Amino acid sequence: DIVMTQSPDSLAVSLGERATINCKSSQSVLYSSNNKNYLAWFQQKPGQPPKLLIYWASTRESGVPDRFSGSGSGTDFTLTISSLQAEDVAVYYCQQYDSPPLTFGGGTRVEIK
Amino acid sequence: QVQLQQSGPGLVKPSQTLSLTCAISGDSVSSNSAAWNWIRQSPSRGLEWLGRTYYRSKWYYDYAVSVKSRVTVNPDTSKNQFSLQLNSVTPEDTAVYYCARDLSGGTGRYATFDIWGQGTMVTVSS
Repeated sequence: DIVMTQSPDSLAVSLGERATINCKSSQSVLYSSNNKNYLAWFQQKPGQPPKLLIYWASTRESGVPDRFSGSGSGTDFTLTISSLQAEDVAVYYCQQYDSPPLTFGGGTRVEIK
Repeated sequence: QVQLQQSGPGLVKPSQTLSLTCAISGDSVSSNSAAWNWIRQSPSRGLEWLGRTYYRSKWYYDYAVSVKSRVTVNPDTSKNQFSLQLNSVTPEDTAVYYCARDLSGGTGRYATFDIWGQGTMVTVSS
């Protein structure tokens, strides 16, 4: 199984400041035939299902604010919230869909400082 | 827009079978571009993909090895829904269960989950 490791477990950021979350996969999720990274990011608020933010490591889902961006390739990935808003308080998960079983990171809790 | 509506009991006794249903609106369980998944979430195991079904001229099924001997995902074309059955449950199967769509198409590869059901908290207890 591909193990997804996120860091940090939690972070507190002031409103308007940048939040950065890291995700590392135990093996590459880059598929050489199409040069795509099979890596997604989700946001989950209490009592709600996860919401897809980013897929192919850097493509924003429709309707997701452009303050959310994804980067990285191979085994190392980053989710950046460029200017934290109050509504961004949530737990964020990375997920690989390169090979089964599809696996998720343990989550990073983002709070307001 | 596409919506998934889950239903099923919130309490199951140990050794019995957990059964949940996910009704699809705005898409078809027989779609050639979608696959229909079950995922669960618990504090001890995090988010865990359980399996999926999809139609590409015939029905296909993928299951996580961790539950493969106990899990079944079935489509119901007459009701445009799909179901999860998990046999021989133990308290370790206590979790919030979600259904979700992926748009893996006919590529032979996987895709991520763009639409989720609302979740069902299932407790395994006598």
